[in-house]
Amino acid sequence: ETGVTQTPRHLVMGMTNKKSLKCEQHLGHNAMYWYKQSAKKPLELMFVYSLEERVENNSVPSRFSPECPNSSHLFLHLHTLQPEDSALYLCASSQDGRQGQSNEQFFGPGTRLTVL
Amino acid sequence: RKEVEQDPGPFNVPEGATVAFNCTYSNSASQSFFWYRQDCRKEPKLLMSVYSSGNEDGRFTAQLNRASQYISLLIRDSKLSDSATYLCVVNDYKLSFGAGTTVTVRA
Repeated sequence: ETGVTQTPRHLVMGMTNKKSLKCEQHLGHNAMYWYKQSAKKPLELMFVYSLEERVENNSVPSRFSPECPNSSHLFLHLHTLQPEDSALYLCASSQDGRQGQSNEQFFGPGTRLTVL
Repeated sequence: RKEVEQDPGPFNVPEGATVAFNCTYSNSASQSFFWYRQDCRKEPKLLMSVYSSGNEDGRFTAQLNRASQYISLLIRDSKLSDSATYLCVVNDYKLSFGAGTTVTVRA
């Protein structure tokens, strides 16, 4: 496997379900990100992990819970979602150098989530 | 004012035409910029970085205007395969994305 992979690619869930999205990067990067992309809207940064520590949490509702067990893996745990949470969820990774400087991000193919 | 603003388009152009569009940003201190390309139902991919002196990569030219706080992307000799959404990205320790400009190249 190369680059950034995400599973599942598609997910349909009810509002009472619990599911998890998985992301894995094979690039040796030290930072990983979750983004939400809704139709016709900019990518919204949700969470940032740098060296496995969460460094940013953009006021995301608690029904989204990230987990970063190591620098290669990132999860997004979902529970009691709402229909408006339906979107494309993209994972990305980068090699961040000095503090405060973000380099090019490489994206996974995304998980298209539909909440019924 | 939004951090990054783009004309959503769509820009419909014939093959071989030149198409150009801009992106404005709100933070005058921003130093680093990218253009990403996103094909329909695919992930964004880096097209090119934008340097203060401007840069060219084949048929693509990116320029930065700090005084007016915008960056531009110009595509010469458009190909059908250039049809995509082009995302403007401002790098201020985190990446801020525009909503994208859609370009459709027709035969």
